[in-house]
Amino acid sequence: AQSVTQLDSQVPVFEEAPVELRCNYSSSVSVYLFWYVQYPNQGLQLLLKYLSGSTLVKGINGFEAEFNKSQTSFHLRKPSVHISDTAEYFCAVSEQGGSEKLVFGKGTKLTVNP
Amino acid sequence: DSGVTQTPKHLITATGQRVTLRCSPRSGDLSVYWYQQSLDQGLQFLIQYYNGEERAKGNILERFSAQQFPDLHSELNLSSLELGDSALYFCASSALKASPADNEQFFGPGTRLTVL
Repeated sequence: AQSVTQLDSQVPVFEEAPVELRCNYSSSVSVYLFWYVQYPNQGLQLLLKYLSGSTLVKGINGFEAEFNKSQTSFHLRKPSVHISDTAEYFCAVSEQGGSEKLVFGKGTKLTVNP
Repeated sequence: DSGVTQTPKHLITATGQRVTLRCSPRSGDLSVYWYQQSLDQGLQFLIQYYNGEERAKGNILERFSAQQFPDLHSELNLSSLELGDSALYFCASSALKASPADNEQFFGPGTRLTVL
């Protein structure tokens, strides 16, 4: 079984500041890793994913994440945030070669202040 | 717009009642997933269907059931509703091809269920 821990439930930052949202996972098998964003009253949208290859993955809206196998982490970063990045961010994993079901973390609420 | 549609958008009902949530996947997607998002449990996988057949099951209660029809739309039936079933229910769809790079799950806007 897999589990995902998002270490911060809320992250407030000022506009144009850098941000890092932390995600650690636990799994006895190899996994794929994902970050999703949920804007208020909307569904989830995929930001980026790690399937294999380069451990640094770039996604939409200027976000990137780095897969660290030894630390079982997949932290999300953005060098300069905008007010419009205010949303909830979810880290998720799915088992390689298994069911495609996503196991989600509890989410991190990012609030960007002017 | 993800291309996944869910109806209704909101549903308010009483304890003990039964409701049906409907999901239409993106055109061409054969696989449908149901997830529940609640304040205490977070986002949890309920069940997955592929081309009409159940493919994977998660933390779905016995009071809940789902099916996928020949036209690929799916319904999630919730019965004997309890206050704790109040949540946002998401449907997602994917093409489910051989390459994992092609298997992104696209989420619908959700159905908000309130049980009073």
